[in-house]
Amino acid sequence: EADIYQTPRYLVIGTGKKITLECSQTMGHDKMYWYQQDPGMELHLIHYSYGVNSTEKGDLSSESTVSRIRTEHFPLTLESARPSHTSQYLCASSEYGGGQYFGPGTRLTVT
Amino acid sequence: KNQVEQSPQSLIILEGKNCTLQCNYTVSPFSNLRWYKQDTGRGPVSLTIMTFSENTKSNGRYTATLDADTKQSSLHITASQLSDSASYICVVTDRGSTLGRLYFGRGTQLTVWP
Repeated sequence: EADIYQTPRYLVIGTGKKITLECSQTMGHDKMYWYQQDPGMELHLIHYSYGVNSTEKGDLSSESTVSRIRTEHFPLTLESARPSHTSQYLCASSEYGGGQYFGPGTRLTVT
Repeated sequence: KNQVEQSPQSLIILEGKNCTLQCNYTVSPFSNLRWYKQDTGRGPVSLTIMTFSENTKSNGRYTATLDADTKQSSLHITASQLSDSASYICVVTDRGSTLGRLYFGRGTQLTVWP
């Protein structure tokens, strides 16, 4: 079944730790995105990719980095987590000109 | 400035009742408008999509309307169910960039009471 997956779903981690949020999609979509969403607020684009070896920063400045080595995989990494990184992170993918399909999200808490 | 404004911010209705959510946008040039449903702690799920030439689009008990002249859209939910409790997000895509930039509203938090 075609879908988009995110792991972990919930993560509580201490300040200064390195973390990687995983995102995988089985739909063969070229475009993938990472959004950050605080409770009750709109989604903010932090990274996107047009395809393998293509990554760009989004509208919201983020200290995270991404990579796109395989079409189906778009991990997001924080080298040193801080409490200000506490948020929900949503991954999405789309075909060219199509709508975005969202993953279930990762809720990150940095203590 | 491209923006998407939604109202009301939150809404409580009784099960079985109808409701209408509003979305006003200033995004230009306009490509399409989508309504998403986002359950708590989950990712958004697309309900409807409308392009410039479409006035209305239905998906079961959900009916979306679009007035491209006034840049307004509405989402009407008929015979609400408890499972309709969620945040409903209006998303407008512009066609002025290669990426097809998405502009998100903050959502309307709908609560359906039994």
